Amino acid sequence: DVKVTQSSRYLVKRTGEKVFLECVQDMDHENMFWYRQDPGLGLRLIYFSYDVKMKEKGDIPEGYSVSREKKERFSLILESASTNQTSMYLCASRDRGRGNQPQHFGDGTRLSIL
Amino acid sequence: RKEVEQDPGPFNVPEGATVAFNCTYSNSASQSFFWYRQDCRKEPKLLMSVYSSGNEDGRFTAQLNRASQYISLLIRDSKLSDSATYLCVALNNDMRFGAGTRLTVKP
Repeated sequence: DVKVTQSSRYLVKRTGEKVFLECVQDMDHENMFWYRQDPGLGLRLIYFSYDVKMKEKGDIPEGYSVSREKKERFSLILESASTNQTSMYLCASRDRGRGNQPQHFGDGTRLSIL
Repeated sequence: RKEVEQDPGPFNVPEGATVAFNCTYSNSASQSFFWYRQDCRKEPKLLMSVYSSGNEDGRFTAQLNRASQYISLLIRDSKLSDSATYLCVALNNDMRFGAGTRLTVKP
């Protein structure tokens, strides 16, 4: 079974802080993704990565950056947290090499910015 | 316009009912399609892939219409445990999710 692990289930930070959300997968997947999920808006793609040191902007990258220094780890960074970044953050990974494979998600991080 | 659109519902149905969800996608280059299920305060989990010829998994049937660019999910003999939000997904270079359709199955 694919295991995608997010470092925190719940996190509370203050406005202006730099926030790191970590995600690790154990299946040697090339593709990794960060989404946020808000009521009524569904899953929105923030950033994704096809390989180490590679990143692509998703639909809502503003206010975020990412880091993929190792294949198994994809970090989401909130440069200066704001209250409108309070959300559920979901990391996912996918095997690009085996046909059209689905994504597998981590448990999610509920982030509150005060 | 969102790449993947779904009726948000909610759908409230009695146990044993048959319910169908539809989903449309705008990117004709989308290659693969999936249905995910998401329980309250949990992560989305893969329910089933959607194949061009249509496919069935127990009480669940998925259909794809490439010409009209829509995907459907049919649930027969609904169970209480089917209550969840169902997310439609289209894959191109990345995966695009619909906002989800909420289903509540009542006794």
